[in-house]
Amino acid sequence: GQQLNQSPQSMFIQEGEDVSMNCTSSSIFNTWLWYKQDPGEGPVLLIALYKAGELTSNGRLTAQFGITRKDSFLNISASIPSDVGIYFCAGQRRDSNYQLIWGAGTKLIIKP
Amino acid sequence: DAGVTQSPTHLIKTRGQQVTLRCSPISGHKSVSWYQQVLGQGPQFIFQYYEKEERGRGNFPDRFSARQFPNYSSELNVNALLLGDSALYLCASSPPGGARSYNEQFFGPGTRLTVL
Repeated sequence: GQQLNQSPQSMFIQEGEDVSMNCTSSSIFNTWLWYKQDPGEGPVLLIALYKAGELTSNGRLTAQFGITRKDSFLNISASIPSDVGIYFCAGQRRDSNYQLIWGAGTKLIIKP
Repeated sequence: DAGVTQSPTHLIKTRGQQVTLRCSPISGHKSVSWYQQVLGQGPQFIFQYYEKEERGRGNFPDRFSARQFPNYSSELNVNALLLGDSALYLCASSPPGGARSYNEQFFGPGTRLTVL
């Protein structure tokens, strides 16, 4: 089963608003990744994080690797309609070389 | 460049049957991973293959097996299908390089398997 707690499960926002979501675990992770999945498609990698405290941006997206190595955060600034979709965090645990563990996703919905 | 391709896109089987799903990685990628994604959940890791060798296996029963071919394409086989095997099966490939590249996975669109 899932070993990453991702929240919130869903978000209703107005266009132009900033969005924040996070992922937590009881285990220590070496890598945190953030993906976006649109309906009928596979996940697309948005940001990869490899060091505790690392802050990385990709356009309007910013993600951080938590200092404790047990959490990560994703922020989206000035949301636009194409940001709609499901955002997943994924991580590689310190004791697992090749397996990515995934959160259950945050569904982003923009209010009309 | 073509992305990861998977076939078929949709499949309907009955309980007890066997299924084979296929994946072609991005050109130059030598690592392929398989995931199962049940509706409303994140992907669950099934296998990773690199240079035709199994590098990792998730918590799935022995009914699930896979292999990688010399051209780096891959097949996932599931025997004795159960209703609970209904899911989207995703294939991802990773670029060559160090440990980081294994994690930067590029996904195909998936195969939607329905077991009746």
